[in-house]
Amino acid sequence: DARVTQTPRDKVTEMGQEVTMRCQPILGHNTVFWYRQTMMQGLELLAYFRNRAPLDDSGMPKDRFSAEMPDATLATLKIQPSEPRDSAVYFCASGLETGDEQFFGPGTRLTVL
Amino acid sequence: AQSVTQLGSHVSVSEGALVLLRCNYSSSVPPYLFWYVQYPNQGLQLLLKYTTGATLVKGINGFEAEFKKSETSFHLTKPSAHMSDAAEYFCAVSVAFSGGGADGLTFGKGTHLIIQP
Repeated sequence: DARVTQTPRDKVTEMGQEVTMRCQPILGHNTVFWYRQTMMQGLELLAYFRNRAPLDDSGMPKDRFSAEMPDATLATLKIQPSEPRDSAVYFCASGLETGDEQFFGPGTRLTVL
Repeated sequence: AQSVTQLGSHVSVSEGALVLLRCNYSSSVPPYLFWYVQYPNQGLQLLLKYTTGATLVKGINGFEAEFKKSETSFHLTKPSAHMSDAAEYFCAVSVAFSGGGADGLTFGKGTHLIIQP
Protein backbone atom coordinates (compact mmCIF):
# COMPACT_ATOMS: atom_id res chain seq x y z
CA ASP A 1 0.00 0.00 0.00
CA ALA A 2 1.97 2.99 -1.30
CA ARG A 3 1.65 6.14 0.75
CA VAL A 4 3.40 9.40 1.50
CA THR A 5 5.24 9.41 4.81
CA GLN A 6 6.18 12.45 6.89
CA THR A 7 8.40 12.84 9.91
CA PRO A 8 8.10 13.95 12.59
CA ARG A 9 4.35 13.70 13.14
CA ASP A 10 4.47 16.23 15.95
CA LYS A 11 7.08 18.83 16.76
CA VAL A 12 7.12 21.31 19.63
CA THR A 13 9.92 23.83 19.63
CA GLU A 14 10.80 27.23 20.94
CA MET A 15 10.91 30.42 18.96
CA GLY A 16 14.21 30.87 17.16
CA GLN A 17 14.98 27.19 16.81
CA GLU A 18 15.53 25.46 13.48
CA VAL A 19 12.87 23.00 12.37
CA THR A 20 13.27 20.40 9.64
CA MET A 21 10.35 18.39 8.31
CA ARG A 22 10.84 15.40 6.04
CA CYS A 23 8.69 13.77 3.42
CA GLN A 24 9.06 10.54 1.49
CA PRO A 25 6.89 10.69 -1.64
CA ILE A 26 5.34 7.65 -3.23
CA LEU A 27 7.94 5.79 -5.28
CA GLY A 28 7.77 6.87 -8.91
CA HIS A 29 5.87 10.10 -8.31
CA ASN A 30 7.73 12.98 -9.92
CA THR A 31 5.93 15.94 -8.36
CA VAL A 32 6.09 16.85 -4.68
CA PHE A 33 4.09 19.58 -2.97
CA TRP A 34 4.28 21.26 0.44
CA TYR A 35 1.10 22.73 1.97
CA ARG A 36 0.38 24.44 5.28
CA GLN A 37 -2.94 24.28 7.11
CA THR A 38 -4.02 26.77 9.76
CA MET A 39 -7.39 27.67 11.18
CA MET A 40 -7.13 31.22 9.91
CA GLN A 41 -5.72 30.69 6.42
CA GLY A 42 -6.89 27.18 5.64
CA LEU A 43 -4.77 25.12 3.24
CA GLU A 44 -2.05 27.04 1.43
CA LEU A 45 0.45 25.89 -1.17
CA LEU A 46 4.00 26.68 -0.05
CA ALA A 47 6.18 25.14 -2.75
CA TYR A 48 6.48 22.28 -5.18
CA PHE A 49 9.00 20.32 -7.16
CA ARG A 50 8.89 18.41 -10.40
CA ASN A 51 11.61 15.88 -11.10
CA ARG A 52 13.37 17.31 -8.02
CA ALA A 53 13.58 20.81 -9.52
CA PRO A 54 11.77 23.60 -7.68
CA LEU A 55 8.90 24.91 -9.81
CA ASP A 56 7.25 27.39 -7.53
CA ASP A 57 7.99 28.55 -4.00
CA SER A 58 6.05 31.80 -4.13
CA GLY A 59 3.88 30.72 -1.21
CA MET A 60 6.83 30.45 1.13
CA PRO A 61 8.31 33.20 3.32
CA LYS A 62 11.72 33.38 1.67
CA ASP A 63 13.64 34.77 4.57
CA ARG A 64 13.08 31.83 6.89
CA PHE A 65 11.71 28.90 4.87
CA SER A 66 13.59 26.67 2.49
CA ALA A 67 12.54 23.53 0.62
CA GLU A 68 14.78 20.99 -1.07
CA MET A 69 14.75 17.55 -2.65
CA PRO A 70 18.16 16.01 -2.04
CA ASP A 71 17.03 12.92 -3.94
CA ALA A 72 13.89 11.44 -5.45
CA THR A 73 12.90 9.76 -2.20
CA LEU A 74 13.26 12.71 0.16
CA ALA A 75 11.85 16.21 0.34
CA THR A 76 12.64 18.58 3.19
CA LEU A 77 11.09 21.77 4.49
CA LYS A 78 13.21 23.81 6.84
CA ILE A 79 12.31 26.82 8.97
CA GLN A 80 15.11 28.88 10.46
CA PRO A 81 14.48 30.68 12.73
CA SER A 82 11.01 29.48 13.68
CA GLU A 83 8.35 31.87 14.98
CA PRO A 84 5.04 31.27 16.80
CA ARG A 85 3.11 32.25 13.66
CA ASP A 86 4.65 29.22 11.92
CA SER A 87 2.55 26.93 14.12
CA ALA A 88 0.46 24.86 11.73
CA VAL A 89 0.08 21.44 10.19
CA TYR A 90 2.43 20.97 7.27
CA PHE A 91 1.40 18.47 4.59
CA CYS A 92 3.47 16.90 1.89
CA ALA A 93 1.76 15.49 -1.19
CA SER A 94 3.03 13.71 -4.27
CA GLY A 95 1.60 13.09 -7.72
CA LEU A 96 2.53 11.91 -11.17
CA GLU A 97 0.73 13.44 -14.12
CA THR A 98 -1.15 16.53 -15.15
CA GLY A 99 -4.51 16.56 -13.43
CA ASP A 100 -3.56 13.52 -11.43
CA GLU A 101 -4.59 13.00 -7.85
CA GLN A 102 -2.22 14.34 -5.23
CA PHE A 103 -1.60 11.85 -2.44
CA PHE A 104 -1.26 13.51 0.93
CA GLY A 105 0.86 12.47 3.86
CA PRO A 106 -0.47 12.51 7.44
CA GLY A 107 1.11 15.88 8.14
CA THR A 108 3.55 17.32 10.67
CA ARG A 109 1.91 19.31 13.45
CA LEU A 110 4.32 22.10 14.38
CA THR A 111 3.95 24.14 17.54
CA VAL A 112 6.36 27.02 18.09
CA LEU A 113 6.27 28.41 21.63
CA ALA B 1 -4.72 32.94 -10.58
CA GLN B 2 -7.34 30.47 -9.46
CA SER B 3 -9.70 30.73 -6.53
CA VAL B 4 -12.30 28.55 -4.86
CA THR B 5 -15.32 29.53 -2.82
CA GLN B 6 -17.14 27.03 -0.67
CA LEU B 7 -20.51 28.28 0.51
CA GLY B 8 -21.19 27.37 4.12
CA SER B 9 -18.41 26.64 6.57
CA HIS B 10 -20.74 24.20 8.35
CA VAL B 11 -23.50 22.06 6.86
CA SER B 12 -25.74 19.89 9.00
CA VAL B 13 -27.96 17.13 7.58
CA SER B 14 -29.89 14.24 9.05
CA GLU B 15 -28.71 10.70 8.55
CA GLY B 16 -30.27 9.41 5.33
CA ALA B 17 -30.83 12.89 3.90
CA LEU B 18 -29.29 14.39 0.78
CA VAL B 19 -25.85 15.93 1.17
CA LEU B 20 -25.09 19.01 -0.95
CA LEU B 21 -21.80 20.87 -0.53
CA ARG B 22 -21.31 23.87 -2.77
CA CYS B 23 -18.18 24.89 -4.60
CA ASN B 24 -17.59 27.68 -7.10
CA TYR B 25 -14.28 28.32 -8.75
CA SER B 26 -12.54 31.01 -10.73
CA SER B 27 -9.97 30.17 -13.38
CA SER B 28 -8.81 31.85 -16.56
CA VAL B 29 -8.03 28.51 -18.20
CA PRO B 30 -9.83 25.15 -18.12
CA PRO B 31 -9.47 23.85 -14.59
CA TYR B 32 -8.94 20.54 -12.97
CA LEU B 33 -11.32 20.21 -10.04
CA PHE B 34 -11.11 18.05 -6.96
CA TRP B 35 -12.97 17.23 -3.78
CA TYR B 36 -10.95 16.01 -0.83
CA VAL B 37 -12.13 14.80 2.57
CA GLN B 38 -10.24 15.20 5.82
CA TYR B 39 -11.02 13.25 8.97
CA PRO B 40 -9.77 14.58 12.32
CA ASN B 41 -5.98 14.49 12.70
CA GLN B 42 -5.51 12.91 9.30
CA GLY B 43 -4.31 13.92 5.87
CA LEU B 44 -6.54 14.58 2.88
CA GLN B 45 -8.10 11.81 0.84
CA LEU B 46 -9.38 12.28 -2.69
CA LEU B 47 -13.13 11.80 -3.12
CA LEU B 48 -13.31 12.55 -6.84
CA LYS B 49 -11.83 14.66 -9.60
CA TYR B 50 -12.76 16.27 -12.88
CA THR B 51 -10.12 16.72 -15.56
CA THR B 52 -11.81 16.37 -18.95
CA GLY B 53 -14.69 14.45 -20.48
CA ALA B 54 -17.87 13.54 -18.68
CA THR B 55 -19.04 16.38 -16.48
CA LEU B 56 -20.71 14.14 -13.92
CA VAL B 57 -18.03 12.35 -11.96
CA LYS B 58 -18.49 9.63 -9.41
CA GLY B 59 -16.21 9.12 -6.48
CA ILE B 60 -15.74 6.97 -3.46
CA ASN B 61 -18.28 6.41 -0.69
CA GLY B 62 -21.24 7.23 -2.93
CA PHE B 63 -20.28 10.85 -3.62
CA GLU B 64 -20.57 12.51 -6.99
CA ALA B 65 -20.08 15.99 -8.42
CA GLU B 66 -21.06 17.77 -11.60
CA PHE B 67 -18.84 20.23 -13.43
CA LYS B 68 -20.93 23.12 -14.75
CA LYS B 69 -18.78 25.46 -16.78
CA SER B 70 -21.51 28.03 -17.30
CA GLU B 71 -22.01 28.32 -13.56
CA THR B 72 -18.33 27.81 -12.66
CA SER B 73 -19.50 25.28 -10.11
CA PHE B 74 -18.51 21.83 -8.94
CA HIS B 75 -21.00 20.93 -6.21
CA LEU B 76 -20.62 17.68 -4.27
CA THR B 77 -23.64 15.50 -3.56
CA LYS B 78 -24.54 12.21 -1.92
CA PRO B 79 -28.11 10.88 -2.00
CA SER B 80 -28.15 9.52 1.55
CA ALA B 81 -25.89 10.69 4.36
CA HIS B 82 -24.24 8.25 6.71
CA MET B 83 -22.80 8.98 10.13
CA SER B 84 -19.35 8.08 8.82
CA ASP B 85 -19.55 11.00 6.34
CA ALA B 86 -18.99 13.51 9.13
CA ALA B 87 -15.71 15.23 8.22
CA GLU B 88 -14.19 18.34 6.64
CA TYR B 89 -14.59 18.60 2.86
CA PHE B 90 -12.36 20.67 0.62
CA CYS B 91 -12.91 21.73 -2.95
CA ALA B 92 -9.72 22.46 -4.90
CA VAL B 93 -8.66 23.65 -8.34
CA SER B 94 -5.48 23.38 -10.35
CA VAL B 95 -4.50 24.11 -13.93
CA ALA B 96 -2.14 22.42 -16.32
CA PHE B 97 1.15 23.81 -17.49
CA SER B 98 1.56 23.99 -21.23
CA GLY B 99 4.77 22.06 -20.90
CA GLY B 100 3.19 19.26 -18.87
CA GLY B 101 2.55 18.76 -15.22
CA ALA B 102 0.00 20.42 -13.04
CA ASP B 103 0.06 23.46 -10.84
CA GLY B 104 -0.38 23.09 -7.11
CA LEU B 105 -3.85 22.96 -5.66
CA THR B 106 -5.75 26.06 -4.59
CA PHE B 107 -8.19 25.06 -1.87
CA GLY B 108 -11.43 26.47 -0.63
CA LYS B 109 -11.83 27.18 3.07
CA GLY B 110 -13.56 23.89 3.68
CA THR B 111 -17.02 22.78 4.77
CA HIS B 112 -17.54 20.90 8.00
CA LEU B 113 -20.25 18.29 7.43
CA ILE B 114 -22.28 17.36 10.49
CA ILE B 115 -24.57 14.34 10.42
CA GLN B 116 -27.50 14.40 12.83
CA PRO B 117 -28.77 10.98 13.97
